[in-house]
Amino acid sequence: QVQLVESGGGVVQPGGSLRLSCAASGFSFSYGMHWVRQAPGKGLEWLAYVREDGREKYYADSVKGRFSISRDNSRNTLYLQMKRLRVEDTAVYYCAQDLVESSKFFEALDIWGQGTMVTVSS
Amino acid sequence: DIQMTQSPSSLSASVGDRVTITCRASQSISSWLAWYQQKPGKAPKLLIYKASSLKSGVPSRFSGSGSGTEFTLTINSLQPDDFATYYCQQYNSYSHSFGQGTKLEIK
Repeated sequence: QVQLVESGGGVVQPGGSLRLSCAASGFSFSYGMHWVRQAPGKGLEWLAYVREDGREKYYADSVKGRFSISRDNSRNTLYLQMKRLRVEDTAVYYCAQDLVESSKFFEALDIWGQGTMVTVSS
Repeated sequence: DIQMTQSPSSLSASVGDRVTITCRASQSISSWLAWYQQKPGKAPKLLIYKASSLKSGVPSRFSGSGSGTEFTLTINSLQPDDFATYYCQQYNSYSHSFGQGTKLEIK
């Protein structure tokens, strides 16, 4: 069964750090992977992307310099390291996989995890 | 960055109706557009990719069209399960930006 499972969410104070994980199972991990978030009652915001081999990474301006996406293909796991967290980073964080395996292009987001909640509050 | 604008922001319709949601890009994105459905408390679900390609397993009452900067999602013969929020997303550029969403409610 194809599945993405996020973990690592929780409550953190402003200025703090948190690392999210996304474990993939049931399929080859040879896909580009993304992080997307959704603040309470708001729409979807794309955050970051990493290619299959981990060499190419892109970020939304809102998190560039504070968040870092990475992957460990030997563990079929995607990560999002978040630093200097702000109250406005409070959201459900989803990981998602590209539609097309080993694509050289940008793709739609096919498989999504269930999300993990991050709350930034003092 | 490419900005995506959906209209309307909300929509009331009845079971059996045909509805259309529009998405406009701030610059040409060719056909690199996807549509997602999201229900409360759930992750988004991919419906349409490359503007008009139906994801396997998605009912044929969903269809997408458009290219360049203007796109539409059409749902024919609305079913109770279709009442949800719909998002468009461009993937022409690395920013993968989403529209603000269209909430489809039961009239």
